[in-house]
Amino acid sequence: GDSVTQMEGPVTLSEEAFLTINCTYTATGYPSLFWYVQYPGEGLQLLLKATKADDKGSNKGFEATYRKETTSFHLEKGSVQVSDSAVYFCALRNAGNMLTFGGGTRLMVKP
Amino acid sequence: ETGVTQTPRHLVMGMTNKKSLKCEQHLGHNAMYWYKQSAKKPLELMFVYNFKEQTENNSVPSRFSPECPNSSHLFLHLHTLQPEDSALYLCASSQSQDKANYGYTFGSGTRLTVV
Repeated sequence: GDSVTQMEGPVTLSEEAFLTINCTYTATGYPSLFWYVQYPGEGLQLLLKATKADDKGSNKGFEATYRKETTSFHLEKGSVQVSDSAVYFCALRNAGNMLTFGGGTRLMVKP
Repeated sequence: ETGVTQTPRHLVMGMTNKKSLKCEQHLGHNAMYWYKQSAKKPLELMFVYNFKEQTENNSVPSRFSPECPNSSHLFLHLHTLQPEDSALYLCASSQSQDKANYGYTFGSGTRLTVV
């Protein structure tokens, strides 16, 4: 079956540092890939998505590129802020199937 | 505001109580979901409804009873819960299952504490 693996946290960074959260997946066919963010006390919000190989999703300074050859969708941001502190979930969805989530990675950004 | 509204935001209930969680969306979605999020555990899918029909029940105990009267509303009826059922319960909605490039829209969740 489909699965998503992401790095365990917490990831602790200083403000303005570069962020990478790794995500790899296993799936048949050509899934769509997503990153969700969950701020404290809230539900999950869609951060960005990519629907085919080599697509780059971007939003709020975050980027992720759909790499089919390495089955990866790593999340990056050039300069994190304290307000980016949250839990980040990588996910995939195959046609006819439900969203499959990774375990989540907590990011803590210190001033 | 995400377009998916969950009420109440917080709920404390005794183990012998009966309560219900409510979820409402007006996004024109026709699939709705209940998830359970416990501390230090992955997201757990509980139930899925497509066009008001339940299509998934992930071995959820019968003390949790879902209801989907129409495509816009989803309920989770709770009775005789256990302390380990304390968690954040998230509702989500999406376009139908065959539209794979659409993600889900989540509500803000109900924080449930069973005492």
